[in-house]
Amino acid sequence: EAQVTQNPRYLITVTGKKLTVTCSQNMNHEYMSWYRQDPGLGLRQIYYSMNVEVTDKGDVPEGYKVSRKEKRNFPLILESPSPNQTSLYFCASSPTTSNHEQFFGPGTRLTVL
Amino acid sequence: QKEVEQDPGPLSVPEGAIVSLNCTYSNSAFQYFMWYRQYSRKGPELLMYTYSSGNKEDGRFTAQVDKSSKYISLFIRDSQPSDSATYLCASPTDSWGKLQFGAGTQVVVTP
Repeated sequence: EAQVTQNPRYLITVTGKKLTVTCSQNMNHEYMSWYRQDPGLGLRQIYYSMNVEVTDKGDVPEGYKVSRKEKRNFPLILESPSPNQTSLYFCASSPTTSNHEQFFGPGTRLTVL
Repeated sequence: QKEVEQDPGPLSVPEGAIVSLNCTYSNSAFQYFMWYRQYSRKGPELLMYTYSSGNKEDGRFTAQVDKSSKYISLFIRDSQPSDSATYLCASPTDSWGKLQFGAGTQVVVTP
């Protein structure tokens, strides 16, 4: 089944404890992206990747890191999480950078205490 | 200021009614518009897209773009309880697939 998977789906952590949210797609998509979704603010892009080893900042990159060493994986790293990073996170992928239909993962709900 | 604005709702309608959803955008460079549907506890999924001004119809759904007023709309005819979801409008800011999303409008269709 073609899909975008994220792990973990739910995570409660404490301030300052490094964490990684994994994202994987099995559709051979070139483009991948991370979003956070907050009430009243909608989806905001954190980082995106146009292909392996090519990443760029979205609208809200502060406090996050990403890497794209393989085409299928695009992990989101929070080196020192803070409470304002409590949010619902979505990974998405798209066949190419010019194809605007993005396929979203199921989401990761993160709580930072 | 967000480049895509959307009334958060909730919008409650009886089954069978027409649902009308709207977004405004500020960047006149936007050329391509999309509507995503998001069910509770799920990721968004693409519902419709349109590239130019005018209407696009797909079954019970019609997407409308008015570039002169920077206004995009989605109409759902003969609404069903299964249409209850949050609807997000979006537009890419450039060709790299960087999407600007509205905040989403929650729709509740009551039987």
